[in-house]
Amino acid sequence: DAGVIQSPRHEVTEMGQEVTLRCKPISGHNSLFWYRQTMMRGLELLIYFNNNVPIDDSGMPEDRFSAKMPNASFSTLKIQPSEPRDSAVYFCASRLGQVQGYTFGSGTRLTVV
Amino acid sequence: QQPVQSPQAVILREGEDAVINCSSSKALYSVHWYRQKHGEAPVFLMILLKGGEQKGHDKISASFNEKKQQSSLYLTASQLSYSGTYFCGTEGNAGNMLTFGGGTRLMVKP
Repeated sequence: DAGVIQSPRHEVTEMGQEVTLRCKPISGHNSLFWYRQTMMRGLELLIYFNNNVPIDDSGMPEDRFSAKMPNASFSTLKIQPSEPRDSAVYFCASRLGQVQGYTFGSGTRLTVV
Repeated sequence: QQPVQSPQAVILREGEDAVINCSSSKALYSVHWYRQKHGEAPVFLMILLKGGEQKGHDKISASFNEKKQQSSLYLTASQLSYSGTYFCGTEGNAGNMLTFGGGTRLMVKP
């Protein structure tokens, strides 16, 4: 099992550019989560999907952020336009069921200059 | 609402014990514990479910008091490999998503 796979590992972009982060969950896991981690705010939930359907996106900071899960094996988080305050490590995690733990991907370190 | 962890940081010598606490202001369905090493992703340690239970593997165990909405993580005879930041994640009755505490930084010295 390859685990949760995120790409890219690092992204440096200029303010105003569009950024797309990608995630492949563990096969068979039916829940997928996007978190953002910063020193100031810790680990924040952005959005989560159950069986490919967005369930709670109340953590998405603003309309510049959007997330999709077109099928069970792929999800994207898009920021358009990006701003310096979006700089953070973005983690994707997946889970098999409600009594299981999360498996996190290695994260994408985003730097917006 | 974010659970509160204490202490924020702790330094141990190898072989010493530590307790990390996690407290929530709302009713909980479950509590998770994770460890994150610098530059890496959080790694799942264990989950405790409503009903009040204690779990453990190796020298790391945890308890969950649902009436007090509190959980504690116990690390006994600490090893250098235990160093990292420990997060509790809480899950309310309504949902499937975890809200993480601010973390407890643990450093084990030789």
